[in-house]
Amino acid sequence: QSVLTQPPSVSGAPGQRVTISCTGSSSNIGAGYDVHWYQQLPGTAPKLLIYGNSNRPSGVPDRFSGSKSGTSASLAISGLQAEDEADYYCQSYDSSLSGAVFGGGTQLTVL
Amino acid sequence: EVQLVESGGGLIQPGGSLRLSCAASGFTVSSNYMSWVRQAPGKGLEWVSVIYSGGSTYYADSVKGRFTISRDNSKNTLYLQMNSLRAEDTAVYYCARGGAYIAIDYWGQGTLVTVSS
Repeated sequence: QSVLTQPPSVSGAPGQRVTISCTGSSSNIGAGYDVHWYQQLPGTAPKLLIYGNSNRPSGVPDRFSGSKSGTSASLAISGLQAEDEADYYCQSYDSSLSGAVFGGGTQLTVL
Repeated sequence: EVQLVESGGGLIQPGGSLRLSCAASGFTVSSNYMSWVRQAPGKGLEWVSVIYSGGSTYYADSVKGRFTISRDNSKNTLYLQMNSLRAEDTAVYYCARGGAYIAIDYWGQGTLVTVSS
């Protein structure tokens, strides 16, 4: 069981907008630690998608956006494209574990 | 260009030991937080260990006392010494730049460790 909770799957039609939630607790997200998001395409290493809650690395389309409030964070993907089909993971830091924690991952299906 | 290249994975019997290496290029390992993250077959990402730029090390409870993270500054290489391996340690192990509260901005391609008799 992951420290951060994500829905196992989400889906949407091309062009639509989907959101993926990431729920933590007072020892991680709620303690003010940043949330980062990663995209993992099948058979490849994860790729940084959002860092510091809402910042996009160079090269990441602005269709991807992140937000954080309280003990939760969200990743939004607008204008869904077939190539967005992947697994998405949130990550933060947990002070009680003294280490990084990941969500269980969310599989995005583009219908 | 930043690159991380892992090596050392393979098939190992339960109770055995293995050392993973991660050769870095394009940046200095000792100036960065460096992590190992693993992914069991068909499962999600699990943080394993981190070494801070200052040298402090931290481990997930699942590997504490069995795994040791270290670095060789002269070789710009990160290591993970894995002892007393168990079947549940079977996973692809990724070397990564960043970790703890810092985003992981670069990942290696991963090396598969299979613990089985």
